[in-house]
Amino acid sequence: DAGITQSPRYKITETGRQVTLMCHQTWSHSYMFWYRQDLGHGLRLIYYSAAADITDKGEVPDGYVVSRSKTENFPLTLESATRSQTSVYFCASIPTGGGSDTQYFGPGTRLTVL
Amino acid sequence: AQSVTQLDSHVSVSEGTPVLLRCNYSSSYSPSLFWYVQHPNKGLQLLLKYTSAATLVKGINGFEAEFKKSETSFHLTKPSAHMSDAAEYFCAYTGTASKLTFGTGTRLQVTL
Repeated sequence: DAGITQSPRYKITETGRQVTLMCHQTWSHSYMFWYRQDLGHGLRLIYYSAAADITDKGEVPDGYVVSRSKTENFPLTLESATRSQTSVYFCASIPTGGGSDTQYFGPGTRLTVL
Repeated sequence: AQSVTQLDSHVSVSEGTPVLLRCNYSSSYSPSLFWYVQHPNKGLQLLLKYTSAATLVKGINGFEAEFKKSETSFHLTKPSAHMSDAAEYFCAYTGTASKLTFGTGTRLQVTL
């Protein structure tokens, strides 16, 4: 079934470990986004990508790395996880860069850093 | 700076009564505005969006919102709440490069 998927759905890791969260979409959307959701902050943009091999920082990029070698995949890596990165992470995509486009969200990954 | 402000972090209504979730925006131009809903342990689902066409926007599940430029508001309403409406609601706008900026959310509680 077409859509946007995230894996894993739940992850527990330890401080200092590297963690990669995966995002995959089957629509061939150009734009993809990573958000984190924290109580009292709503969702905040971490990184986004306008196309394969084009990425840019969002509001809270520190401690995260992204890549986009293929249009359909947009992995998010925490190079050395910290407790402050405990959060729920959402991936989203839109077909083009139009401001009125609807973003479609994945189901989220709940990450706990001990 | 452009932003959205959700005026209530928590709203409680009785089933069958009207729902009003408030959102104000700050922008130097007419933005695209969105309302998303998030049910517990789920992703975000679009309820409706405003894109400078009709100022009264109808969405899914009986929700609607009115864009009022004079008041810089985009409040979400529903005539009659249902238990299944209990969720977190987010107002958002798009700025450059279609990046969504979200409000901090309003948790809607529906009681019998």
